[in-house]
Amino acid sequence: KQEVTQIPAALSVPEGENLVLNCSFTDSAIYNLQWFRQDPGKGLTSLLLIQSSQREQTSGRLNASLDKSSGRSTLYIAASQPGDSATYLCAVRRSGGAQKLVFGQGTRLTINP
Amino acid sequence: NAGVTQTPKFQVLKTGQSMTLQCAQDMNHNSMYWYRQDPGMGLRLIYYSASEGTTDKGEVPNGYNVSRLNKREFSLRLESAAPSQTSVYFCASFTGTVKTSEQYFGPGTRLTVT
Repeated sequence: KQEVTQIPAALSVPEGENLVLNCSFTDSAIYNLQWFRQDPGKGLTSLLLIQSSQREQTSGRLNASLDKSSGRSTLYIAASQPGDSATYLCAVRRSGGAQKLVFGQGTRLTINP
Repeated sequence: NAGVTQTPKFQVLKTGQSMTLQCAQDMNHNSMYWYRQDPGMGLRLIYYSASEGTTDKGEVPNGYNVSRLNKREFSLRLESAAPSQTSVYFCASFTGTVKTSEQYFGPGTRLTVT
């Protein structure tokens, strides 16, 4: 059974810092891994999708890496801003079957001005 | 292009009442999903529909039923609501054919059962 873990559960950093969010998964048989952002009381917004054959993907100040063999992904946020405060979730899409997404529990990020 | 839409946005039910949550997508996606999100539990899959005409149970299906009405619409029904079903419910869709594609989520329905 695929399990996804995100550590830490919460993180608070001062504005301007670079930071890394971690995601680990137990089964390397995946199609892709998706990072989402969720603001309080809102739905999920897709940030980055990284395919199983890729090592990293970048969008603006965000960079996601994937090491499928070790079951790890990181989301790097450069020059953090208060507007980056949100919960960040990672999810892996399993290979085969119904290709369901399996989610981690998220990291709640607070950027202090 | 509205993406994934859900109705209602908020709902309060009494224990034992029934209701249906509606979801529609306009991206011609094959697969649709219902999740619930609870504090500290992340998103858990309730039911999914890999394609029109099929539905399957996810992790937490007890107390729920679903209907894939057509390719666009996937509804979730609570027959007899219980306080344990107080949660935020998200509908999502995925192409299902291009396995490298993203999954898209609706804005959610906040349900309180008293």
